[in-house]
Amino acid sequence: GAVVSQHPSWVICKSGTSVKIECRSLDFQATTMFWYRQFPKQSLMLMATSNEGSKATYEQGVEKDKFLINHASLTLSTLTVTSAHPEDSSFYICSAPSGRDTQYFGPGTRLTVL
Amino acid sequence: GENVEQHPSTLSVQEGDSAVIKCTYSDSASNYFPWYKQELGKRPQLIIDIRSNVGEKKDQRIAVTLNKTAKHFSLHITETQPEDSAVYFCAASILDQFYFGTGTSLTVIP
Repeated sequence: GAVVSQHPSWVICKSGTSVKIECRSLDFQATTMFWYRQFPKQSLMLMATSNEGSKATYEQGVEKDKFLINHASLTLSTLTVTSAHPEDSSFYICSAPSGRDTQYFGPGTRLTVL
Repeated sequence: GENVEQHPSTLSVQEGDSAVIKCTYSDSASNYFPWYKQELGKRPQLIIDIRSNVGEKKDQRIAVTLNKTAKHFSLHITETQPEDSAVYFCAASILDQFYFGTGTSLTVIP
């Protein structure tokens, strides 16, 4: 089946720094990718829709200037958490659709901000 | 946007018993309803799904029902096994955008 990868799988950074997370579709093209955030013991919350060749669309309450999304190609979307703070510590997961209704999830990135 | 509610948040059952998890959604435009199993720190894994033109679907020990009028859908796991212990999420999808329920932590007691 289709595979979506994420890099890095975990990252620890200092408060105030920026962190970039990559999401790649390995064997299919994705004009759209989705970014989710998951706090411990909570659900996946859709943050934004990444659109190849155009601006990302953000869910209500998600700061677009803080969570920068770039869909550079048909196989790569990046999420940059700018000026990260401890409250941004979370599990970030991307997904990409392939075929009707099918979503393939990345393995997730654990971000810890000190 | 879509709002998905899920109950219960935790569920413990004896091995061999059945488990039922229920979800409701708010947007009648949602047309695809997957269920995911997630183990700690890992990606969600699709276990079963149902589309809005179907009322029930079964795959071995797992079944899902959908009531479009009432906007609710349920996951049924029969003959539960310890390896079924995990967190389960329902989701409602509109145009590939998934909105997840709050999750149910299922524990199957041997």
